[in-house]
Amino acid sequence: GAGVSQTPSNKVTEKGKYVELRCDPISGHTALYWYRQSLGQGPEFLIYFQGTGAADDSGLPNDRFFAVRPEGSVSTLKIQRTERGDSAVYLCASSPTRDTGELFFGEGSRLTVL
Amino acid sequence: QKEVEQDPGPLSVPEGAIVSLNCTYSNSAFQYFMWYRQYSRKGPELLMYTYSSGNKEDGRFTAQVDKSSKYISLFIRDSQPSDSATYLCAMGGQGYSTLTFGKGTMLLVSP
Repeated sequence: GAGVSQTPSNKVTEKGKYVELRCDPISGHTALYWYRQSLGQGPEFLIYFQGTGAADDSGLPNDRFFAVRPEGSVSTLKIQRTERGDSAVYLCASSPTRDTGELFFGEGSRLTVL
Repeated sequence: QKEVEQDPGPLSVPEGAIVSLNCTYSNSAFQYFMWYRQYSRKGPELLMYTYSSGNKEDGRFTAQVDKSSKYISLFIRDSQPSDSATYLCAMGGQGYSTLTFGKGTMLLVSP
């Protein structure tokens, strides 16, 4: 497709479980970002990839969160030992370059931890 | 003080009204400023992009940036019910990995 694709669109899990969220960016976009958006808040930065490497992971809240982008395209956000406070919409965005800051967002993965 | 401040609203207006949405910021290093529109249960979509100070117009939308006051605005003319959404301001600059977003202002345009 032409846009950023995220799967699953909704995920309900139990506290303590492991979760993976997938992002397929726009073809040719080298920069990929993960954000988290809680209810009534703006998106909060988690991690930024330039190509295959994590160029900035300063937004990851703790070591339960990890993300990979092994071939420079699709990325997976991994959350271990989920907690109720992890419930949010996880947004992925891609950009052809980091210079202008224009981000193209997917529709998000809504995570609910019971 | 947060880096970007934005009134969450909701802001309710009748169809046809002129809408003014605003953000203030504290970081003088920000150089580019954006407005994103987010419909319920959708991802944000880029609406307006401005580099440095000045005005930019696109159809019914006008973005203004006043770097001296650290204040940005989005004006919507002849507002339509389809404009009902949350409007997020976002900003960034050289040396910053990504954008910093405001909380978003919810706009409701009634027919």
